[in-house]
Amino acid sequence: DSGVTQTPKHLITATGQRVTLRCSPRSGDLSVYWYQQSLDQGLQFLIQYYNGEERAKGNILERFSAQQFPDLHSELNLSSLELGDSALYFCASSVGISGAKETQYFGPGTRLLVL
Amino acid sequence: GDSVTQMEGPVTLSEEAFLTINCTYTATGYPSLFWYVQYPGEGLQLLLKATKADDKGSNKGFEATYRKETTSFHLEKGSVQVSDSAVYFCALRSNTGGFKTIFGAGTRLFVKA
Repeated sequence: DSGVTQTPKHLITATGQRVTLRCSPRSGDLSVYWYQQSLDQGLQFLIQYYNGEERAKGNILERFSAQQFPDLHSELNLSSLELGDSALYFCASSVGISGAKETQYFGPGTRLLVL
Repeated sequence: GDSVTQMEGPVTLSEEAFLTINCTYTATGYPSLFWYVQYPGEGLQLLLKATKADDKGSNKGFEATYRKETTSFHLEKGSVQVSDSAVYFCALRSNTGGFKTIFGAGTRLFVKA
């Protein structure tokens, strides 16, 4: 158990819908990262937040957005869903102050299926 | 930009065989290097890491040495077990680009009894 929790574990929805994925980082971790894992694209970095502020952006679509709240939990919002958005979405957390040496700890993921 | 290339899988071995999964990287800064493992139905777990050249990371019988001259971080284990069957990801985290972690494509390992 990494200490990172994600809800829900599974999500089935229809095209055009909007969903929210939730992540709680490890106690004491200030940074939260979101990743998308699909069969054809592998593990893709989406976005990072540090202590409530956006810190880095990866291959995140405009239909997707995220935020980190004062209690440090984070939500990833996916809207106007398409079939190709079906994937595993991982959240990871790290302390956020050690730079390149930091280790990220991953949650168990949310499996999203868009029908 | 920074990138990680790892050998394509799947890799199929018999129990007690020697394992090598190759990983090479390109980076403009001074990256730290990581191996993560993903067991079926689970998230990624840190297996080992090395933060500077010539460091050796080790855990659970797995080892990898940070080779700056060959820009490599190959994963090795002397005697694999069926329970090592998983997907292995090589990754780097550098001090450029906002400390993003870049992952390789992953290598699936099957170990037969």
